[in-house]
Amino acid sequence: DADVTQTPRNRITKTGKRIMLECSQTKGHDRMYWYRQDPGLGLRLIYYSFDVKDINKGEISDGYSVSRQAQAKFSLSLESAIPNQTALYFCATSDFGTSGALYQQFFGPGTRLTVL
Amino acid sequence: GQQLNQSPQSMFIQEGEDVSMNCTSSSIFNTWLWYKQDPGEGPVLLIALYKAGELTSNGRLTAQFGITRKDSFLNISASIPSDVGIYFCAVFTNTGNQFYFGTGTSLTVIP
Repeated sequence: DADVTQTPRNRITKTGKRIMLECSQTKGHDRMYWYRQDPGLGLRLIYYSFDVKDINKGEISDGYSVSRQAQAKFSLSLESAIPNQTALYFCATSDFGTSGALYQQFFGPGTRLTVL
Repeated sequence: GQQLNQSPQSMFIQEGEDVSMNCTSSSIFNTWLWYKQDPGEGPVLLIALYKAGELTSNGRLTAQFGITRKDSFLNISASIPSDVGIYFCAVFTNTGNQFYFGTGTSLTVIP
């Protein structure tokens, strides 16, 4: 089974709709991240969380919100979707403490979101 | 946010050729990472570099951490069709404990 899972894998929605993307991990990591990937722009950080009580804005948080329901679950919400939020969204995890482990992120398979 | 300039943006090469790509920054970073993204999947770490001047290999892949701590390159020797994908450089910064990614190099290997 995959260590980092994302649901749904694909979603088509309409402008103005609320949508939630979910991420679950079995790696036992404290740190979780949401990224957005657009062609030619690489991966840009939306939000990140270092534990259940810690939420931080990333580079492009406007129009998004997150919830860290448990150590293993981190969801991303678009309160009112707009077409320029059409992108590939990735969840990632990382650990802290073990030598070298902090510097590796483990990514989910991605959610392809289309906003019409 | 931090800017990582990655080049080239795309490459089309014949199977068996060597590949070289690089990543530069205007800021100093103490950790440089190289990831590969296969089509339809999330990025996977290839090589991590922690020391300026460090040269690290992983099979046919070799990466170097620039002595100025502002750049890194990745070489792939004797390319094969499964090398196809997008390669990202990334850095880790203790300021905010964040990772920043380059814009990616898309590699196509022609059999």
